[in-house]
Amino acid sequence: NAGVTQTPKFRILKIGQSMTLQCTQDMNHNYMYWYRQDPGMGLKLIYYSVGAGITDKGEVPNGYNVSRSTTEDFPLRLELAAPSQTSVYFCASATDRPNTEAFFGQGTRLTVV
Amino acid sequence: AQSVTQPDIHITVSEGASLELRCNYSYGATPYLFWYVQSPGQGLQLLLKYFSGDTLVQGIKGFEAEFKRSQSSFNLRKPSVHWSDAAEYFCAVGAVGTNAGKSTFGDGTTLTVKP
Repeated sequence: NAGVTQTPKFRILKIGQSMTLQCTQDMNHNYMYWYRQDPGMGLKLIYYSVGAGITDKGEVPNGYNVSRSTTEDFPLRLELAAPSQTSVYFCASATDRPNTEAFFGQGTRLTVV
Repeated sequence: AQSVTQPDIHITVSEGASLELRCNYSYGATPYLFWYVQSPGQGLQLLLKYFSGDTLVQGIKGFEAEFKRSQSSFNLRKPSVHWSDAAEYFCAVGAVGTNAGKSTFGDGTTLTVKP
């Protein structure tokens, strides 16, 4: 029962570097989400997708890009890392049925120095 | 715009004592409410949810929550806390008829359990 899997779990980046956070789910969910969680704060939605080939911005999309070529995978790309992107990133997935919950991965802790 | 307020940033209770975590929401329509728990180094796990019906909702791990429309609240309760309940708890609100992914989350309440 893998659920939502994120890699890597931890990463340190230098300012200006790029990286991709990987997210895959094996529940055949159409909806997928990326959040960031800053210390003492709740989750803020970065991007989401309602199906393969369809993505849309959330509340805090600046500095990030996403793609959704398959139902299973939803990678998050940071192009030019900045210290403000130091955070814990969570990927989640959900069905398109109403009144259902989201399932979360274990998170990626990213530090930009 | 929808919003969630968790007034208590940090709560400490003794093991075996009762627990109540507060959640107030602002939403223009019928809300879809959740409580999630986040253990250290883990993702969020759903404790319970409410979107209609009985306003007292039972969840996993012995938790329950009561929806009070007149107070715009959805407080989480547990009659006897266990040391393993130490974690961060998030309340969230979304739109009935949607899934939870685009919900608005509160800032969380950290629960410490004293032996």
